[in-house]
Amino acid sequence: DAKTTQPPSMDCAEGRAANLPCNHSTISGNEYVYWYRQIHSQGPQYIIHGLKNNETNEMASLIITEDRKSSTLILPHATLRDTAVYYCIVRPPGRNYGGSQGNLIFGKGTKLSVKP
Amino acid sequence: EAGVVQSPRYKIIEKKQPVAFWCNPISGHNTLYWYRQNLGQGPELLIRYENEEAVDDSQLPKDRFSAERLKGVDSTLKIQPAELGDSAVYLCASSLSAGPTEAFFGQGTRLTVV
Repeated sequence: DAKTTQPPSMDCAEGRAANLPCNHSTISGNEYVYWYRQIHSQGPQYIIHGLKNNETNEMASLIITEDRKSSTLILPHATLRDTAVYYCIVRPPGRNYGGSQGNLIFGKGTKLSVKP
Repeated sequence: EAGVVQSPRYKIIEKKQPVAFWCNPISGHNTLYWYRQNLGQGPELLIRYENEEAVDDSQLPKDRFSAERLKGVDSTLKIQPAELGDSAVYLCASSLSAGPTEAFFGQGTRLTVV
């Protein structure tokens, strides 16, 4: 089962920052926080991931709280093309692990609608 | 470099018929996943491979679903016989390893069972 809680939907005005929250209160010390998004009729697309520190790449920023129980994905200047379902996933490192520890488990995500 | 390639993109079959989906992962990627996605839901993991070994197939309905990854490269997911409830999008993904790396997804195969 997914270990994260996300709001089912959010709206954002085009050009404004989109801040997508995620609660993961049961996260373990070695589990990473991943974000993916899925645009309609496409496969999920990786956005960013982090362990403890905040991370930034060309797509987004990931802010993880100090206690690591929640995080926020920030799209700094949302465009219409950012309309998608955004998934927050917690995942153990899984390196050379068997069983379920390397799995990427999706929940229902947040449907972000960017409006003109 | 080509991404994860899946075929076919669409498939319509009658119930009780067999169907197979094919996935070609990114070259050099050891980890391969198969997911099923129903309308309005997130992807549901069916099976994960590390090279040619199925390390987690606990969510694969083994009475009708089977999968293989010969030589640790391409993979095939089969359903026999298909049921109406199997209508969904079947997604394949690959990553360098099961470690903290990104997974790349294919476009998926949309299966309709009538």
